[in-house]
Amino acid sequence: QQKVQQSPESLIVPEGGMASLNCTFSDRNSQYFWWYRQHSGEGPKALMSIFSNGDKKEGRFTAHLNKASLYVSLHIKDSQPSDSALYFCAVSMRYGGSGNKLIFGTGTLLSVKP
Amino acid sequence: GGIITQTPKFLIGQEGQKLTLKCQQNFNHDTMYWYRQDSGKGLRLIYYSITENDLQKGDLSEGYDASREKKSSFSLTVTSAQKNEMAVFLCASSIGGNTEVFFGKGTRLTVV
Repeated sequence: QQKVQQSPESLIVPEGGMASLNCTFSDRNSQYFWWYRQHSGEGPKALMSIFSNGDKKEGRFTAHLNKASLYVSLHIKDSQPSDSALYFCAVSMRYGGSGNKLIFGTGTLLSVKP
Repeated sequence: GGIITQTPKFLIGQEGQKLTLKCQQNFNHDTMYWYRQDSGKGLRLIYYSITENDLQKGDLSEGYDASREKKSSFSLTVTSAQKNEMAVFLCASSIGGNTEVFFGKGTRLTVV
């Protein structure tokens, strides 16, 4: 059974600082990896995806994937108060003929202090 | 763009009661999901469906039933509400399992 763990549970960074969020997964057949962000009172929204080993940069956000180490991370450069939210790592994999299912991690609560 | 509408927004039920949560999407997506989120924590998959009339169990399906009678709708039934399952229930949809998943705003369940 796939287990997706995130660390740290919570993180406080100063405005303009770098936030680093970590995620480990247990199933080596995992194929696709996403980062989602959830602001209070809303549903999660996709931030970015990464499917191949290495780094992927989108604006201030950089995702890193190492499938052999069962590890994916998200780095937020120049953090803004509006980045304060709950961040989830999500892993997608195929289960037999039943399509893909998306398993979410435990979440990291990021607070960016002005 | 599309939208996912969950009803009701707040649901209060008595312990042991059968309760139904509804979800509609106008994205024309094939895959739909139900997740449970306990008190600002991670999301746990209850059921998902890859097409109309298809149902697949997630890791948390015990105590729940689901129904996908139309492509655009996916309902979740709590078969016997318990106080330890007070949570926010999130409905979501996607084109397929590897694509972006879009979420509704959730139904908050309170059991008294």
